[in-house]
Amino acid sequence: GNSVTQMEGPVTLSEEAFLTINCTYTATGYPSLFWYVQYPGEGLQLLLKATKADDKGSNKGFEATYRKETTSFHLEKGSVQVSDSAVYFCALTRGGGSNYKLTFGKGTLLTVNP
Amino acid sequence: GAGVSQSPSNKVTEKGKDVELRCDPISGHTALYWYRQSLGQGLEFLIYFQGNSAPDKSGLPSDRFSAERTGGSVSTLTIQRTQQEDSAVYLCASSLGPSGGSTDTQYFGPGTRLTVL
Repeated sequence: GNSVTQMEGPVTLSEEAFLTINCTYTATGYPSLFWYVQYPGEGLQLLLKATKADDKGSNKGFEATYRKETTSFHLEKGSVQVSDSAVYFCALTRGGGSNYKLTFGKGTLLTVNP
Repeated sequence: GAGVSQSPSNKVTEKGKDVELRCDPISGHTALYWYRQSLGQGLEFLIYFQGNSAPDKSGLPSDRFSAERTGGSVSTLTIQRTQQEDSAVYLCASSLGPSGGSTDTQYFGPGTRLTVL
């Protein structure tokens, strides 16, 4: 079946540090890949997505590239801010008909200190 | 416009009681999903609706769990005879559905935190 593995947290960084959160997946065919973010006290929000190999998703300074050869979708940001403190979830869909249910990783808690 | 809303935001119940959780999707979204977020299991898919039909119920953990959707809009997730292991945050998401294609984006509600004593 489909699965997503992401690096265990928590991750603690200082402001302006470089961020990488690793994500690898197992799926048949060609899944779409997502990063969702959950800020404290808020619901899940889509951060970025990529739907085919070599696509790069980007938003709010975050980037992730769909690497089919390594089945990875690592999240990166060059300079994190305190406001980036949140839980980050890597996810995939493997559509079957119109069903695009998401399979999530366990989540990675990021804390950015001033 | 209005996002996905869920009610109640918090629910505390006693073991053995039934609970109903409600989801109001974004207007015009034909696809609706329920997920569960718990410390031990992370985020898990429960059930998928397309319109009023539920072609994928594969994530429902037991027959104590059921869900329905009426008028292609509001959905209710019902848990009968609640157990302590049902304690979790229940999330609802909606999306355009087939017209959204393979890039269809799910928008999540704030969740209902269920605590079973």
